[in-house]
Amino acid sequence: KNQVEQSPQSLIILEGKNCTLQCNYTVSPFSNLRWYKQDTGRGPVSLTIMTFSENTKSNGRYTATLDADTKQSSLHITASQLSDSASYICVVSAAGTASKLTFGTGTRLQVTL
Amino acid sequence: AAGVIQSPRHLIKEKRETATLKCYPIPRHDTVYWYQQGPGQDPQFLISFYEKMQSDKGSIPDRFSAQQFSDYHSELNMSSLELGDSALYFCASSRRNTEAFFGQGTRLTVV
Repeated sequence: KNQVEQSPQSLIILEGKNCTLQCNYTVSPFSNLRWYKQDTGRGPVSLTIMTFSENTKSNGRYTATLDADTKQSSLHITASQLSDSASYICVVSAAGTASKLTFGTGTRLQVTL
Repeated sequence: AAGVIQSPRHLIKEKRETATLKCYPIPRHDTVYWYQQGPGQDPQFLISFYEKMQSDKGSIPDRFSAQQFSDYHSELNMSSLELGDSALYFCASSRRNTEAFFGQGTRLTVV
């Protein structure tokens, strides 16, 4: 069964600090991995998408890494801001299905003063 | 840039009524996905369409049906609504298996 697990489940950090969120997956065959930011009650917003051949990708203060051998990804947030408070969801797509995305359990991040 | 448009944004229905949710994908996107997200839960995949044909089916109840039209917009029809159907319903679109973009969602409340 295709699964995506994220850790930690929740995280509280001070504004200005860095943090790293983890994603482990068992989706096979792997096509791509996406990180989304979801504010409460809003639709997920794409941060990055990574394919098998990519091992790092940045989007502003967000840097995602991918190790396709160990089936792990991380999302590093630098110099956190209060507006970073949201759920961060790792989503993995299997090759060949052309559709279904497997969602991770999400990490709830809270940035405080 | 155009995004995925969902309508309505909010909907209140009574039990046993019918609801229709609409999704307008980003232009030139050929794949549409529907997700249901209950309070505090992960999005659950319902169904997807590629080039107007159903491409994958998830945990969509038999009371629900969906289709993708010739202009690529999609509608999710929900009948005999139950209290447990209250949730955020997200639509996403993509070009084949590339990055999916989500709409803002429709919040359905069944009373």
